[in-house]
Amino acid sequence: EVHLVESGGGLVQPGGSLRLSCAASGFTFSSHWMSWVRQAPGKGLEWVANIKEDGTDKYFADSVTGRFTISRDNAKNSLYLQMDNLRAEDTAMYYCARDCTGGCFDNWGQGTLVTVSS
Amino acid sequence: DVQMTQSPSALSASVGDRVTITCRASQSIDSELAWYQQKPGKAPKLLIYKASNLGSGVPSRFSGSGSGTEFTLTISSLQPDDFATYYCQQYRTYKMFAQGTKVDIK
Repeated sequence: EVHLVESGGGLVQPGGSLRLSCAASGFTFSSHWMSWVRQAPGKGLEWVANIKEDGTDKYFADSVTGRFTISRDNAKNSLYLQMDNLRAEDTAMYYCARDCTGGCFDNWGQGTLVTVSS
Repeated sequence: DVQMTQSPSALSASVGDRVTITCRASQSIDSELAWYQQKPGKAPKLLIYKASNLGSGVPSRFSGSGSGTEFTLTISSLQPDDFATYYCQQYRTYKMFAQGTKVDIK
């Protein structure tokens, strides 16, 4: 069974940094693109970033380009999201998701909450 | 960028009703569309991919159709477990979700 567990969320001041992690199990992690998707409180879903199986290709939403970095460690079956220069509008639940072939998301973690506030 | 619009934004229905939700893309996305169900406090769940393919373990009362710019999600007979928010997502160009449709009890 596919299992994705996020961690690393919390309260951070505007301009601060945070690193999210996602531990994957139950599938061959190195064979799948992976994504981060976020959801602001009471709002809809927003794709944030994704990364190719071997980490060589990465894509970002315009709203986070230049501030967020995505990476992975296939030896540790782990996905990461480094978030710098955080803004109040980055406040959201952040989900780790496995990409389907083509680009949908067929498995999701339970999410980790990031709150950006002074 | 491809913009996605869902309608209605909310609907009230009864158990046993047939429910249809529409998703429109601002330009053709072929069949690169998925549907998700999300319940309060939970992660989304994939229902439909490639416009009309049922996700793993998804009941057959869910179906998807369409291609190009107009798509529909149909629940043939609404069950108590189906009251939730539904999102469509295109993946033809990057990935973009629509704003969602909340289905609640009439």
